[in-house]
Amino acid sequence: GQNIDQPTEMTATEGAIVQINCTYQTSGFNGLFWYQQHAGEAPTFLSYNVLDGLEEKGRFSSFLSRSKGYSYLLLKELQMKDSASYLCATMDSNYQLIWGAGTKLIIKP
Amino acid sequence: IAGITQAPTSQILAAGRRMTLRCTQDMRHNAMYWYRQDLGLGLRLIHYSNTAGTTGKGEVPDGYSVSRANTDDFPLTLASAVPSQTSVYFCASSALGEYNEQFFGPGTRLTVL
Repeated sequence: GQNIDQPTEMTATEGAIVQINCTYQTSGFNGLFWYQQHAGEAPTFLSYNVLDGLEEKGRFSSFLSRSKGYSYLLLKELQMKDSASYLCATMDSNYQLIWGAGTKLIIKP
Repeated sequence: IAGITQAPTSQILAAGRRMTLRCTQDMRHNAMYWYRQDLGLGLRLIHYSNTAGTTGKGEVPDGYSVSRANTDDFPLTLASAVPSQTSVYFCASSALGEYNEQFFGPGTRLTVL
């Protein structure tokens, strides 16, 4: 079966660092995506990992461990505009995306 | 047009009525998708199309139909709307294959009464 788990909600302070975890069990794997979705808006692409390790892109980094079925999104130097939901999705063997329910990140001043 | 557009932005519909949600992309992407997003649930795939002329069923296809007459357009039809179809509907497109991110339209907020 297919299953993706991520925390429902997290709170962090402006300027701090936060790590959003995602665990998955899928029948086929062609990579893992992270998307950002602000309230009332469409999801937008943040990162893609298909090999183990850390991918860094500015303030955002994404990590993947395929053997553990685990990924995290690391956000540094948090800004108020980072308040959003963060969606984890795996790509299956048919190149379809399987989505987690998303983690709502609340940033406090 | 820049990217992917959807219409209408929002709609209130009486149960039993027929409704078509429109989606158009200008990125020449092969693949297009329709998702619904409900509070507390992840995006759920309704139907998809890997290329013009072909369509496939996703996770929650019942009550919905699609067509893909050309590369750019991918309409979603609710033949007889029911209240459980109240949701936010997102259309997305991508090049086909691995590493190809999906680009999303702005969404249609549909309420069925």
